[in-house]
Amino acid sequence: DAGVIQSPRHEVTEMGQEVTLRCKPISGHNSLFWYRQTMMRGLELLIYFNNNVPIDDSGMPEDRFSAKMPNASFSTLKIQPSEPRDSAVYFCASSLNGYEQYFGPGTRLTVT
Amino acid sequence: SQQGEEDPQALSIQEGENATMNCSYKTSINNLQWYRQNSGRGLVHLILIRSNEREKHSGRLRVTLDTSKKSSSLLITASRAADTASYFCATGYNNAGNMLTFGGGTRLMVKP
Repeated sequence: DAGVIQSPRHEVTEMGQEVTLRCKPISGHNSLFWYRQTMMRGLELLIYFNNNVPIDDSGMPEDRFSAKMPNASFSTLKIQPSEPRDSAVYFCASSLNGYEQYFGPGTRLTVT
Repeated sequence: SQQGEEDPQALSIQEGENATMNCSYKTSINNLQWYRQNSGRGLVHLILIRSNEREKHSGRLRVTLDTSKKSSSLLITASRAADTASYFCATGYNNAGNMLTFGGGTRLMVKP
């Protein structure tokens, strides 16, 4: 199994630009989570999907952030417009009917 | 926030010694999990303990949970240099127990 796949691995963009992060969960998993990790705030849950449906997005910081899961094998996290304070490592994780979460390698986002 | 707090924030030991990390949390939980993160990588699930369990073992790992004190500990016995990583506790707080709040982590360094 390839594990959770995230792309790109690194993204450097200028303030005001749109950023799209992508995630392919493990095949057969029915839950998907987006997290953000920073030194200041640690690891924060942004949004949780179950069977492609957003269940809880209370962690999404503001309207500039949006996430979609059009099918069971793909999800995106979009930031528009991006700001320097969005700089962080963004992780996607997936799970099958349970608690153990499998994390992807993360996308390191730098907004200048 | 139900964020767990790990203690200590950093720990340095010699190979072969045992490493103990503690986690405290604030409110009722469904389960508590421990994850490991190597530098620059995604998190890896280590062990899960449910709220009605008191102790669990997995290889060189031993986890305890005291719900009356709202605390957990992770013991790594006979540590190896390869155990060098950050260790996070995560509390599952929703009914399904799969929405996690992560603590700030303990950075463990095992010197060969």
